Amino acid sequence: QQQVKQSPQSLIVQKGGISIINCAYENTAFDYFPWYQQFPGKGPALLIAIRPDVSEKKEGRFTISFNKSAKQFSLHIMDSQPGDSATYFCAASIHGNTGKLIFGQGTTLQVKP
Amino acid sequence: DVKVTQSSRYLVKRTGEKVFLECVQDMDHENMFWYRQDPGLGLRLIYFSYDVKMKEKGDIPEGYSVSREKKERFSLILESASTNQTSMYLCATEAAGGPRKYNEQFFGPGTRLTVL
Repeated sequence: QQQVKQSPQSLIVQKGGISIINCAYENTAFDYFPWYQQFPGKGPALLIAIRPDVSEKKEGRFTISFNKSAKQFSLHIMDSQPGDSATYFCAASIHGNTGKLIFGQGTTLQVKP
Repeated sequence: DVKVTQSSRYLVKRTGEKVFLECVQDMDHENMFWYRQDPGLGLRLIYFSYDVKMKEKGDIPEGYSVSREKKERFSLILESASTNQTSMYLCATEAAGGPRKYNEQFFGPGTRLTVL
């Protein structure tokens, strides 16, 4: 079965620190890797996404690093803020597969003030 | 602004009951999805639909069925609810095709279903 494995399950970071969440995948046909952010009581929302033709994508304090040979990708949150406290999901999909996303297990991030 | 609404935020049902969860979107998106979210398991796809009256099984369809009679509405049906279907259920929509190769999924707020 296609899988995306995410770690750690939970993460506590001090304000101003760097939060790092890692994901690994098996299927080399995956060609789209989004990260979704979910606040309590809300549905997930797209945060940032990358395609495998680039090794890094940055949007503000959020960066995706992508290692195609290792089949791994990670989310880095620089200068983490209490407002970043949420659950983060990595995902992967294959273009043309009707948008079907395979999600990781999720990471609950708590940023302490 | 995409709006995806789900019929209930919280629902409590008894084992064996037939349960209907409804999802409505206002953005004319072709694709609609039902996921369940469980701690440590992430989001798992139950069913999805890419057009009216069209549906495809996801990764965990057992015990569920779906209905899409109108483009904006996608219903998840638990034919005979069981305690192992206690979960958070999330609906999502996505535009299909167009110039963008990769499309964003927009999620509703979820329905927390408890089966006693």
